Amino acid sequence: DAGVIQSPRHEVTEMGQEVTLRCKPISGHNSLFWYRQTMMRGLELLIYFNNNVPIDDSGMPEDRFSAKMPNASFSTLKIQPSEPRDSAVYFCASSLAGVQYFGPGTRLTVT
Amino acid sequence: GQQVMQIPQYQHVQEGEDFTTYCNSSTTLSNIQWYKQRPGGHPVFLIQLVKSGEVKKQKRLTFQFGEAKKNSSLHITATQTTDVGTYFCAGPWDTGTASKLTFGTGTRLQVTL
Repeated sequence: DAGVIQSPRHEVTEMGQEVTLRCKPISGHNSLFWYRQTMMRGLELLIYFNNNVPIDDSGMPEDRFSAKMPNASFSTLKIQPSEPRDSAVYFCASSLAGVQYFGPGTRLTVT
Repeated sequence: GQQVMQIPQYQHVQEGEDFTTYCNSSTTLSNIQWYKQRPGGHPVFLIQLVKSGEVKKQKRLTFQFGEAKKNSSLHITATQTTDVGTYFCAGPWDTGTASKLTFGTGTRLQVTL
């Protein structure tokens, strides 16, 4: 199995630009999670989906962040407009029966 | 809401020394999971404990779930440089949704020769 796939692995963008992060979960997993990790705040859950339906988006920092899961094999996290404080590593994870499998992450730098 | 704290936040040991990290939840957990994140990497699942008082071993790693199912520990015997990383415990969120986990604050382990 290829594991959870994320793209891009690195993204550098200027403040105000739109950023789209992509995730392909492990086939057969029914839950998908988006996390953000920084030194200051640690690992934060942004949003998660069960069977492609958003269940809890209380961790999404503000309206600039949005996430979609149009089908069982694809999800996006969009930031529009991006700000320097959004710089972090963004992880996608998928899950079946409670254990979570993380992707390699996208390191986002907003200048 | 549910909180999961870990201590210490950071520990630096000499190779060959033992290491222990402790995890404490504000609520009773149905199970506890442990993950390891190498520097520059992503969290990787290590193990899940379900029963009160359960102890599991993986080579030099010993995991324990407390009797009250509110705390857990990870003990590494004779650390090696390959043990370097951040260790997270995680427990299911208390809303009955099995999918969501609350991750602990993590313990960063540094091992030097």
